Amino acid sequence: QLQLQESGPGLVKPSETLSLTCTVSGGSISSSNYYWGWIRQPPGKGLEWIGSIYYSGSTYYNPSLKSRVTISVDTSKNLFSLNLSSVTAADTAVYYCARLRGHTAMLFGRHYYYYYMDVWGKGTTVTVSS
Amino acid sequence: DIQMTQSPSSLSASVGDRVTITCQASQDISKYLSWYQQKPGKAPKLLIYDASNLETGVPSRFSGSGSGTDFTFTISSLQPEDIATYYCQQYDNLRITFGQGTRLEIK
Repeated sequence: QLQLQESGPGLVKPSETLSLTCTVSGGSISSSNYYWGWIRQPPGKGLEWIGSIYYSGSTYYNPSLKSRVTISVDTSKNLFSLNLSSVTAADTAVYYCARLRGHTAMLFGRHYYYYYMDVWGKGTTVTVSS
Repeated sequence: DIQMTQSPSSLSASVGDRVTITCQASQDISKYLSWYQQKPGKAPKLLIYDASNLETGVPSRFSGSGSGTDFTFTISSLQPEDIATYYCQQYDNLRITFGQGTRLEIK
C-alpha cells in the first residue's frame, strides 16, 4: 500500500527557506503514470496547491508562488522535496505531499495534463516565526 | 488562474437528508473536477474524480455530476460519519485550484 510521509523542520524563521521532504514507500516514484505534488493549508483555511513534479524532473508551479518555489525529485531515494524561499508568517500552514493520478492527452500537437491527488500524506505543520 | 466558486460555505442537515454542494468554474474545465472530504486534523480524501467517477472504496451514497463550468456533489442519505469539510478541485492542465470548501454539520 502506497504511503507518503512528510518530514522537515516545524519552525522556520522569517526570510529563511522552508525545506520539506516527502518519502514514498510501497511504490516507486519513477512510475510513468503519476505526478507528485505539494499542497498546503493555513490554519482554519482552505487548500492551496503549491506545485507538482514528474519523476523526470518536469515541474508545474502555482503562479502565485512560482518565484519562491522549487520542487525536486530524487528517484534513487524514492522521495521528492519542496523548498519555499523568503518565508513570512503567511506561509504558516500544514503542508501535505500527495500522489497525483490521471492522464496526459495530446491535442492539436500539444500535451495537456489532467492529474488529481489520490493518495495524501498525513501532513506536517510548519510555523514561520522568529 | 481558474477560479472555483463553491457553495454553500456551510450547511446543516439531518441524518438521512439529501445534501447538495455546487461548484462553478470561471471557465470551461470539461470534466476535470474532483471532490474531497476532509475531517478535522486529517488529510483530504478523494471521493470523486473526472466529475462523476466514484473512487474505489467510497460509499455509493456519494455522487458527482456536471461538466463545463457547473458541477454538483450529492450525498443521497447523510450519515453521522459524513460530517466534514468538502472541497471541489479543478485540474485543467496541471493548473490546480480548489474551491473554498463547504463545512457540513449535523442538525
